[in-house]
Amino acid sequence: RKEVEQDPGPFNVPEGATVAFNCTYSNSASQSFFWYRQDCRKEPKLLMSVYSSGNEDGRFTAQLNRASQYISLLIRDSKLSDSATYLCVVTLRDDKIIFGKGTRLHILP
Amino acid sequence: DGGITQSPKYLFRKEGQNVTLSCEQNLNHDAMYWYRQDPGQGLRLIYYSQIVNDFQKGDIAEGYSVSREKKESFPLTVTSAQKNPTAFYLCASSPGLAGGPGLETQYFGPGTRLLVL
Repeated sequence: RKEVEQDPGPFNVPEGATVAFNCTYSNSASQSFFWYRQDCRKEPKLLMSVYSSGNEDGRFTAQLNRASQYISLLIRDSKLSDSATYLCVVTLRDDKIIFGKGTRLHILP
Repeated sequence: DGGITQSPKYLFRKEGQNVTLSCEQNLNHDAMYWYRQDPGQGLRLIYYSQIVNDFQKGDIAEGYSVSREKKESFPLTVTSAQKNPTAFYLCASSPGLAGGPGLETQYFGPGTRLLVL
């Protein structure tokens, strides 16, 4: 099983739809969790940290399920500008940082 | 205007040549990192440094070298021993040592695309 695994994508969804990304991790000792956004040919940028209690930032909601070892990202009322690749990032207790391969999202007008 | 910069944006390497990628930050961050990204792949850690004059190998350090003589700078040299250097190279930094680098948000530079002639 891969250390961090994301939906392969791409996701093609109409503007205004709700999109859900899932990410699973194999190491139960994983410590911190993040979602990054990467635009085409650009650097990744932090979108959200993910906490056990879940967190919300406007149209974006992140959830962590430690028992099932997955994290999720929900985007509501999607905009054309949400088109990007979304990277799941997990850090381990030994400070090792693992990036998922990312899921590409295309919002269609 | 604080941030992290990388240069050049595009770099061409000839066979057998060593090339150096620049990474500079003015965020006063202690930790700096180098990643490589290949098409359709996640980022892979090459080297990281938690403090000046100290650095550790990441997952794919072979064929690369780094130095950390100044807090602000963490240059990466791609040596001739790296047989498949074509990739997108990303430098990142994070605030400090407290809790270890993996616990902190990383801020990325704009990246350098390295191509082999």
